[in-house]
Amino acid sequence: GESVGLHLPTLSVQEGDNSIINCAYSNSASDYFIWYKQESGKGPQFIIDIRSNMDKRQGQRVTVLLNKTVKHLSLQIAATQPGDSAVYFCAENIGGTYKYIFGTGTRLKVLA
Amino acid sequence: DSGVTQTPKHLITATGQRVTLRCSPRSGDLSVYWYQQSLDQGLQFLIQYYNGEERAKGNILERFSAQQFPDLHSELNLSSLELGDSALYFCASSPSTGGWGYTFGSGTRLTVV
Repeated sequence: GESVGLHLPTLSVQEGDNSIINCAYSNSASDYFIWYKQESGKGPQFIIDIRSNMDKRQGQRVTVLLNKTVKHLSLQIAATQPGDSAVYFCAENIGGTYKYIFGTGTRLKVLA
Repeated sequence: DSGVTQTPKHLITATGQRVTLRCSPRSGDLSVYWYQQSLDQGLQFLIQYYNGEERAKGNILERFSAQQFPDLHSELNLSSLELGDSALYFCASSPSTGGWGYTFGSGTRLTVV
């Protein structure tokens, strides 16, 4: 069944196109950031992370950009596939402490 | 499979009742974290245990309590349940007291009717 976030902002993209999902984080002291993917009925799954001493980090088909000046993160997914359909949210952390602050998320829908 | 096991996957109960959610952390992880995820909301941190001891508390209601046992599994107890307690409850684990290497379980969906 459907998971949480029925009223989340939704990004719809055509299969094969690139997706860009944005996140504004809250604390200027945050120095570590993670993007998570949450599929229906599953727990959040780590996608990619970035530390505050970097502006960009690339993974397989994913790139995270960090703009500390405006406290903004983005996740770029190249050649979006149907399996990418999920809720994506960012998390910020300060100094490796226990506590993460999670964003509310964006639902990505991939159109065939 | 993330290695973090949560049971049950689904739970339906009536208002006023009490339930217990269970979490087994990933092998080798000493910290367990509990989160609540409601509709339209991000993950809200409830509580952290490290090697059997409470280490941090978040927005956890007094009606809720948790513990971590010697074998490192953890239980979250929710009592006097209200309709608004309906949510997904996630457990995460990490090797140490800090947040590195966070791994989430697949969650327990609680429905209070």
